[in-house]
Amino acid sequence: GENVEQHPSTLSVQEGDSAVIKCTYSDSASNYFPWYKQELGKRPQLIIDIRSNVGEKKDQRIAVTLNKTAKHFSLHITETQPEDSAVYFCAASMRSGGYNKLIFGAGTRLAVHP
Amino acid sequence: DGGITQSPKYLFRKEGQNVTLSCEQNLNHDAMYWYRQDPGQGLRLIYYSQIVNDFQKGDIAEGYSVSREKKESFPLTVTSAQKNPTAFYLCASSLSGTTYEQYFGPGTRLTVT
Repeated sequence: GENVEQHPSTLSVQEGDSAVIKCTYSDSASNYFPWYKQELGKRPQLIIDIRSNVGEKKDQRIAVTLNKTAKHFSLHITETQPEDSAVYFCAASMRSGGYNKLIFGAGTRLAVHP
Repeated sequence: DGGITQSPKYLFRKEGQNVTLSCEQNLNHDAMYWYRQDPGQGLRLIYYSQIVNDFQKGDIAEGYSVSREKKESFPLTVTSAQKNPTAFYLCASSLSGTTYEQYFGPGTRLTVT
């Protein structure tokens, strides 16, 4: 079936450094790619998303890039802060029976050390 | 954050018992979803519903059942047939089945012993 692979599974950076998380997807028809942030014991929160007609999107310290040809997309966090520490999930849309579903990656645990 | 509620936050059950997890939303969303989250894994889709009185199996529906009698409510029953029911269960909703953005509830952590 369709799947999304996410790397790395864990990432440790120093405060102020940049962090990059990468995902690849298998369904060439996918056209929506959200990123969620989940703090310990909390619900996933949508932090940024990108659609297939756009190659890059930025929101303050967070940016997402998409390469449709290679079927991969990445999350970039600049000037990391301790409060960025969380698990980040990527997802790709999939069409099923006329409706949209999201297929999630396995997650990346980001630790930002002061 | 508000709009989607799940109860209870923690649930404990004995093996062999069915248990129902609640999910309610007041966002006027047509579509609702149930996901299961295990440690070190992503979110896996159990069931989803695009409209009232209609729902479809997701990727891991075995041992689960749902109903959608009201637009606002999408309860999930974990039956005794589910081999490994202990997990964190997340409910989500979206404006419709053809829109993409999904918003999550706070989750229910189910422990079965």
